[in-house]
Amino acid sequence: DAKTTQPNSMESNEEEPVHLPCNHSTISGTDYIHWYRQLPSQGPEYVIHGLTSNVNNRMASLAIAEDRKSSTLILHRATLRDAAVYYCILTQGGATNKLIFGTGTLLAVQP
Amino acid sequence: DTAVSQTPKYLVTQMGNDKSIKCEQNLGHDTMYWYKQDSKKFLKIMFSYNNKELIINETVPNRFSPKSPDKAHLNLHINSLELGDSAVYFCASSLVRNTIYFGEGSWLTVV
Repeated sequence: DAKTTQPNSMESNEEEPVHLPCNHSTISGTDYIHWYRQLPSQGPEYVIHGLTSNVNNRMASLAIAEDRKSSTLILHRATLRDAAVYYCILTQGGATNKLIFGTGTLLAVQP
Repeated sequence: DTAVSQTPKYLVTQMGNDKSIKCEQNLGHDTMYWYKQDSKKFLKIMFSYNNKELIINETVPNRFSPKSPDKAHLNLHINSLELGDSAVYFCASSLVRNTIYFGEGSWLTVV
């Protein structure tokens, strides 16, 4: 399984945009990039996913590099509720039957 | 309505006991999972069932036995509990190759 690398932690101020990076230099052509997040004392929740093109949804945007070796999750206006661990996960062919979680990025949001 | 619900939420038990954690999903999904999150926060898949059939069985001791009476339920039974089994256990469900929805977790403490 292709591996992802994320910073251990990041800080942001409330109401400001946050860019969470993920490196996946060994990504294969059929690997999808998924982002999940885990709020304190809760189960992980889906944020967004993409293959090649940038993606937007109500929670976030996903910017994928042209060579697909890296991607960035963008939270447009961080709120205190966005404080969580964010996981960048690759799935073969988009198959989500075996998500492999790394250590993720712990995002702290300051008021 | 909770989409993926687990019971109990908290469980404290003695070494050597047998315990079960129940999981139910009301999303109409055909695939269910058990994930384990240890004290270092690593989240790892244990089992996956599709239409009541076991499709993923990661290297998990035989003391752990999942049971799926129907597509909406996946229970986890643990025999002869050990201290190292203390963790948070997350149930999850999805349609094949689709977003995974996690429950809120069951905190198991073995003393």
